[in-house]
Amino acid sequence: DAKTTQPPSMDCAEGRAANLPCNHSTISGNEYVYWYRQIHSQGPQYIIHGLKNNETNEMASLIITEDRKSSTLILPHATLRDTAVYYCIVIFSGNDYKLSFGAGTTVTVRA
Amino acid sequence: KAGVTQTPRYLIKTRGQQVTLSCSPISGHRSVSWYQQTPGQGLQFLFEYFSETQRNKGNFPGRFSGRQFSNSRSEMNVSTLELGDSALYLCASSLGTSLGREYFGPGTRLTVT
Repeated sequence: DAKTTQPPSMDCAEGRAANLPCNHSTISGNEYVYWYRQIHSQGPQYIIHGLKNNETNEMASLIITEDRKSSTLILPHATLRDTAVYYCIVIFSGNDYKLSFGAGTTVTVRA
Repeated sequence: KAGVTQTPRYLIKTRGQQVTLSCSPISGHRSVSWYQQTPGQGLQFLFEYFSETQRNKGNFPGRFSGRQFSNSRSEMNVSTLELGDSALYLCASSLGTSLGREYFGPGTRLTVT
């Protein structure tokens, strides 16, 4: 699976949009970009995923660049409950995939 | 719909002992995966069970084993515990067809002394 690079931390003001970048320059054509987050003392939570088109759901939007080498997760109106570690991962579309999280980005939403 | 449940939530064991952790998946989910999470190594895949069969396995020693029952509930066993086995053990369930979209339980915090 392709490796991802994320900034270690970022702050965001409550009510503002949070834009979380992720680089995955070695991604191959059949690999998906997934985002999970982990709030302190809880298990990871799925947020969104995409292959090459931009995606939006009730939690967030995912913008993938045309060359697929990077992506941005957008939390449109961050709340204090969005404070968490956010993980960007790339998964091969086969039966033997397995999740593996790196250090992620620690997002702190401030009032 | 109830989420993934794991028991116990916290456990303290002594080096050399063995431990069994339990996971109840979301109703209707046939796939259960186990992960180990530590500050140094991050989240690492242990194994996945689908319809009572181990479908995938990570790079962990044979001391780590698991099984899945006909009702999809799963157990993970670690024998001859080592200090380095101290970690948060997470269970995740899925339908088994939605690639990469898993639903995690709260985890079992294992401390080996």
